[in-house]
Amino acid sequence: GENVEQHPSTLSVQEGDSAVIKCTYSDSASNYFPWYKQELGKRPQLIIDIRSNVGEKKDQRIAVTLNKTAKHFSLHITETQPEDSAVYFCAARPPSTGRRALTFGSGTRLQVQP
Amino acid sequence: GAGVSQTPSNKVTEKGKYVELRCDPISGHTALYWYRQSLGQGPEFLIYFQGTGAADDSGLPNDRFFAVRPEGSVSTLKIQRTERGDSAVYLCASSSSGISGETQYFGPGTRLLVL
Repeated sequence: GENVEQHPSTLSVQEGDSAVIKCTYSDSASNYFPWYKQELGKRPQLIIDIRSNVGEKKDQRIAVTLNKTAKHFSLHITETQPEDSAVYFCAARPPSTGRRALTFGSGTRLQVQP
Repeated sequence: GAGVSQTPSNKVTEKGKYVELRCDPISGHTALYWYRQSLGQGPEFLIYFQGTGAADDSGLPNDRFFAVRPEGSVSTLKIQRTERGDSAVYLCASSSSGISGETQYFGPGTRLLVL
């Protein structure tokens, strides 16, 4: 089955700096890659996703890049703010003919220092 | 509209007891997922429903775990003979139809503590 590795496990940046979180996946058939943000004690919330027919996607200060050949994808947050502090999870999902559920990475705890 | 809701928000039980966790998906969503999240880890898949049927239960750890969705809406996760290792946050998610690429919306979770 799918295996997703996520790095780093913790990341501390100064407010205004950029943050990058990287994930690799094992199943070359996976075609959907969402990123979730989870604040302490709260539910995971989707912040951005990318499908395998696209190499990059941006939404304001957040961007995701996908390299299908290398089987890795990254989350980029620019101009970080204290409210970006949370745990971020990447995930991968194969096509609908395979397992339907998301396989998550182990998470990155991002701390933005004011 | 209302998001995914889960009850109870917290459940404390004793080893060996039976528990039921409930999930109310977003209205109209045919796909429903259960995940389990241990401290410091990402959610791990347990079971997926498409309508009333369990389309994939390969994530259930053993036969003490069972889930139902009799009318294709509300789902109940049932754990028999609970063990301390079952302590975790149980998350439910739903999506419109279950196809890949569809957003899964998560509920707030039920925090289960087995003493």
